[in-house]
Amino acid sequence: QSVLTQPPSVSAAPGQKVTISCSGSSSNIGNNYVSWYQQLPGTAPKLLIYDNNKRPSGIPDRFSGSKSGTSATLGITGLQTGDEADYYCGTWDSSLSAGGVFGGGTKLTVL
Amino acid sequence: QVQLQESGPGLVKPSQTLSLTCTVSGGSISSGGYYWSWIRQHPGKGLEWIGYIYYSGSTYYNPSLKSRVTISVDTSKNQFSLKLSSVTAADTAVYYCARAEYYDRTFDPWGQGTLVTVSS
Repeated sequence: QSVLTQPPSVSAAPGQKVTISCSGSSSNIGNNYVSWYQQLPGTAPKLLIYDNNKRPSGIPDRFSGSKSGTSATLGITGLQTGDEADYYCGTWDSSLSAGGVFGGGTKLTVL
Repeated sequence: QVQLQESGPGLVKPSQTLSLTCTVSGGSISSGGYYWSWIRQHPGKGLEWIGYIYYSGSTYYNPSLKSRVTISVDTSKNQFSLKLSSVTAADTAVYYCARAEYYDRTFDPWGQGTLVTVSS
């Protein structure tokens, strides 16, 4: 059971747009930065979005992030078959059980 | 740019101690500003943060693993290490090392990961 809640799967056609939600609480998303990671099959996770909505160098602007209250959202536009991957949100939890926390991951299928 | 590489045994017997090392290249652990982290992923499952260490030796552990985890740093070798004691089959996972920004704990970059299987 992950601390952050993501939908297990989403799907859309090439060229379309998809959003992936990440729900938490005031002790994690509500008071800390959110990051998003892409994990292609058989590879290590790769940073996609940091500080809620910033993209590292080399990440196309098709990928975007937002945060509102205790939830965050990853958006991907102009879907490509190469975007098929697992996507994870992550943040810090400042509760008594403080530590890094992740969502359970969302499998994106590009139909 | 900074690169991380995990190393260690791929097979550990139940009740023994899992030991992994992460070697950092392209940057110095001693430069500060980052936490040096361990994260694992059970087969077919999501990511689990294990803990991290600052170059000074300060550590933060996942409360669910805290009693069994030790993370240490060797700045002279630019390496940091993970020890997980009393392992069971439930500790079978891919173990990643990663660098985390000090101010927002964003994990970047990651090592390629190493599969550790716990079996007799």
